[in-house]
Formats: sequence, C-alpha cells, structure tokens
Amino acid sequence: ETGVTQSPTHLIKTRGQQVTLRCSSQSGHNTVSWYQQALGQGPQFIFQYYREEENGRGNFPPRFSGLQFPNYSSELNVNALELDDSALYLCASSLSGKRRSYEQYFGPGTRLTVT
Amino acid sequence: AQRVTQPEKLLSVFKGAPVELKCNYSYSGSPELFWYVQYSRQRLQLLLRHISRESIKGFTADLNKGETSFHLKKPFAQEEDSAMYYCALSRSYNNNDMRFGAGTRLTVKP
Repeated sequence: ETGVTQSPTHLIKTRGQQVTLRCSSQSGHNTVSWYQQALGQGPQFIFQYYREEENGRGNFPPRFSGLQFPNYSSELNVNALELDDSALYLCASSLSGKRRSYEQYFGPGTRLTVT
Repeated sequence: AQRVTQPEKLLSVFKGAPVELKCNYSYSGSPELFWYVQYSRQRLQLLLRHISRESIKGFTADLNKGETSFHLKKPFAQEEDSAMYYCALSRSYNNNDMRFGAGTRLTVKP
C-alpha cells in the first residue's frame, strides 16, 4: 500500500503566474482534500473532491480550482498568483462512503513561494 | 462559522509530568473533533478523534460540550511526545469543511 504523494516538493513562481500542484491518493481512497498552511498557522481547508466532483469548498476565491481524475489523483490549480499564496499546500486522501468517512492521510506537502 | 482556538502556541513540560493541550471551539451543532500530530520531519497524522473514545499513545481527549472544549491530556509525558499538535473540527461526516487550530508546539524536556 503506497501513501499519499505530492509533486513538486517545492517551487518558486512570480506574482501573476499560474501553478499546478499534484497529489496522488493512497491506494483505495476515493476522496481528496486540499489545504493551505501559511507559516505559523494550521492548515486551512481549500476544497474536497469526491468521485471526481467538488464536494465542499472553503473560503478561497475562484482562482483556486481543482480536478480529480478517474484514478482519484488530483490537481490544485492557482491562477493569478499573489504574494499571500506563498504557503505549504497539503493534500489528504481518505475513503468515503454512505454516511461514513475514514481517516484522512496527509501528503508531505508542496512548498510554494511567490515572489 | 465554526472556529477552533488553541490558546498556547508553545508548551514545555518535563518528562514524566502531566500534559494538557487546550482546544476550544465555537460551533452550535454537534461537531466531530480531532487531534492531529506532526512529529519532526514527518507528515501530519491523525492522533485521535472524539467519536472513537480511544487512548492513543497514552493520550486521551474528552469532548465537553458545555465548555465547548476538547483538551488533549496525557498523565506522564515522554520525550517522544515532542511535536506540533493541531486540534480540528468538522461539521460533517465526510470532513469536507475541516477547520484547524493554529497548533501548539509541545516540548518534553529530559
């Protein structure tokens, strides 16, 4: 059983650019959640994908968007990058079913720096 | 909106001493509450969730709805307990709105 992986590990972008972060779910998981963790803060929920559809969204603008693929891997896209988007981006996968959700397993994160 | 407050950013205790990490929340419904831990150079992982009513690594946490608290306790701290601890709340069974506190860094001194 493989764990949650994320790529790239870190990257540097310029304000106004676009970025795509990738997450590979743990085997057997059908749900992916994305979080933004600024320095010194706890993770902040961006959105969740369940069976390829968005299934909940936090207080983030539309320039944060995502995708989930049939193999349940996922992408987080951020357009028009701002300096405040600099953070650690975490994805977490889990298995969800009827009225039940199991433990979330987190990836190691992608460190994004916007200059 | 739900909110999670961890009043202590840093907490330091000696090995063998009791430890309590505080977590207060604001939510009028019936939340699901969690404690997550991040050890040095490791990824964030679930420590315990209130519905399980388990003791993990000697830690317990009791949901007090009257005081809207979910404090994490361990009677005898060990050096390997040194880590970052996050309290988290979810309003839904599928955790599609999870809210984390800012975290408490626990240091257990020898």
